[in-house]
Parts: sequence; C-alpha cells; structure tokens
Amino acid sequence: GQNIDQPTEMTATEGAIVQINCTYQTSGFNGLFWYQQHAGEAPTFLSYNVLDGLEEKGRFSSFLSRSKGYSYLLLKELQMKDSASYLCAVKGSNYQLIWGAGTKLIIKP
Amino acid sequence: IAGITQAPTSQILAAGRRMTLRCTQDMRHNAMYWYRQDLGLGLRLIHYSNTAGTTGKGEVPDGYSVSRANTDDFPLTLASAVPSQTSVYFCASSPGGENTEAFFGQGTRLTVV
Repeated sequence: GQNIDQPTEMTATEGAIVQINCTYQTSGFNGLFWYQQHAGEAPTFLSYNVLDGLEEKGRFSSFLSRSKGYSYLLLKELQMKDSASYLCAVKGSNYQLIWGAGTKLIIKP
Repeated sequence: IAGITQAPTSQILAAGRRMTLRCTQDMRHNAMYWYRQDLGLGLRLIHYSNTAGTTGKGEVPDGYSVSRANTDDFPLTLASAVPSQTSVYFCASSPGGENTEAFFGQGTRLTVV
C-alpha cells in the first residue's frame, strides 16, 4: 500500500527552529511537496523536492532523501503566524498526489 | 478575480438530496481535482481531470460524479447525499506536468443531516 507518515502535532517556541519529518512508501516517486494550511483555510504551496538534498526558501527549507523515503521541513526564526498545519504530499507513479494527514504546529510565545 | 473559486462556502444538506459543488478557475490550468478533507485524515482525491473533456476516479469516488465541459469549470455532484459525505471539500487546479504545484480553492464545508 501507499503511506505517508507525519507527526500529528508539534509545539515550538517563537524565535526557535523546528523540523517536521515526513516518511513515505509509495508506488513510484515523482516529487514531494510541502503545503501550509491555516485553520479554516485552503492549503498553500511551500516547497517542492524531486532530487536529494536541501531546498532553501527564506525561513523555510525542505530536505529529501529518496533512498530513505524521507523528507523534512525546517522552519527557522519561528513567528506566531507560522502556527498552522503542514502537509506532506508525494506525487506517485500515476502523477496524483498522495497526502499525509498533516502536522499541526503550535507556536508558543 | 484571479485564482480558483468554490461555491457555496458552506451548506447544510438533508440526506437523500442532490447537491452540486461548483468550482471555477481563471488560470487556464489543464488539470483540476476534487478532494475531501476529514479530521485526522489526509486530503483524499475524489475525482480528477487532466484536461477538458476527460475525467478520472480518485481514491474515494463512490457517491460522487464530475464533468469537465470546458477548461474553467469542474463541478462535483453528490447524487443522493449521505451523512458520511459530511466533510470539507477542496477543489484544486494545476498547470499539469511533473513539478507543478496545485492551487486550492477556499473550500466548501458540507454537512449532511
């Protein structure tokens, strides 16, 4: 079967760094996406990885290891507005996205 | 407008009734998708369309139908609603291709009673 695993919830402090992990088992791999979703809102795109390594975009970075079926999203200099759910999604062999259940990130002052 | 629009924003529906959720995009994207999002579960694909005139079944298609008469519109119909279809429904679109992101509408919160 196909599976995407993420922690259900994480808590971090404003100004700190947090790493959200995602492991996947899918039939085929055509890229991994991270999305942010604030409560009651639509998901919005954060990052895309298809090759191994780190992609940096301002305060957010995403890492991929295809051999390990593993990715993480790194958020630096946390702000209160970063409180949201972070969704990991893999594009499988049929080019459709398979979604994890999301990680709810709570930022405390 | 720019982007993808869904209607209605929310709806309470009696079981057994027919309902169409509307989705329109003005980005000329080839691919469109309907997902449902339930607490504790990831987004689950209901139906998709890779290009106007074609549709395909996703992970949870039963009880739903779609059509794609043109590039912009991708309505989702519940023929006879049941309480298990209570969910938040998201429509999304993407240009198509391997690394293109999906853009989401604001969602429709549907409650079937």
